[in-house]
Amino acid sequence: KAGVTQTPRYLIKTRGQQVTLSCSPISGHRSVSWYQQTPGQGLQFLFEYFSETQRNKGNFPGRFSGRQFSNSRSEMNVSTLELGDSALYLCASSLAGTGSSPLHFGNGTRLTVT
Amino acid sequence: GENVEQHPSTLSVQEGDSAVIKCTYSDSASNYFPWYKQELGKRPQLIIDIRSNVGEKKDQRIAVTLNKTAKHFSLHITETQPEDSAVYFCAASPDNQGGKLIFGQGTELSVKP
Repeated sequence: KAGVTQTPRYLIKTRGQQVTLSCSPISGHRSVSWYQQTPGQGLQFLFEYFSETQRNKGNFPGRFSGRQFSNSRSEMNVSTLELGDSALYLCASSLAGTGSSPLHFGNGTRLTVT
Repeated sequence: GENVEQHPSTLSVQEGDSAVIKCTYSDSASNYFPWYKQELGKRPQLIIDIRSNVGEKKDQRIAVTLNKTAKHFSLHITETQPEDSAVYFCAASPDNQGGKLIFGQGTELSVKP
């Protein structure tokens, strides 16, 4: 079974631009979560989608948004990019989307904002 | 608010020794505690997890213990090998919030041959 797939692997953007990241979950997984990983802040939860609905949201500004499609694929969008948005963005999927359902991570998208 | 503290931030051991990483969490409603291993440039990989109705779980050289009263949980790696070198993250899942994990800051484990 294929793992979680994230595209693209690397992105370089300029301040003020916007960016869209894509995530395809493991087949059959209905929950998709997004995390930001930085050396200073570690792994921080952005949001989680289940059956096309956002169920949970972390403490990030409204510039960070996402959506999930009927095939469970998810996209994350960041508008008006800031230098501090440079990070590794990780997507994770889980089968049941319950609090005790293991998360499986993708390889991430490395975003650099200049 | 929800918080997970992890110690130590770095840990260096000799091959064959044991390694212990400790975490404490703040949300008493947390009921699921996974551990992830992240090698340099790679994705975090789940290595073991424990649920709140269990006190200890083992998988070969890896074990996790949970003390819900004290809100502590720990990862134990025995007979360490150089390939165990990585960053290890503990996490806690707030009650009824699927897909959301609160991560510790990570422990960089170095196993010297």
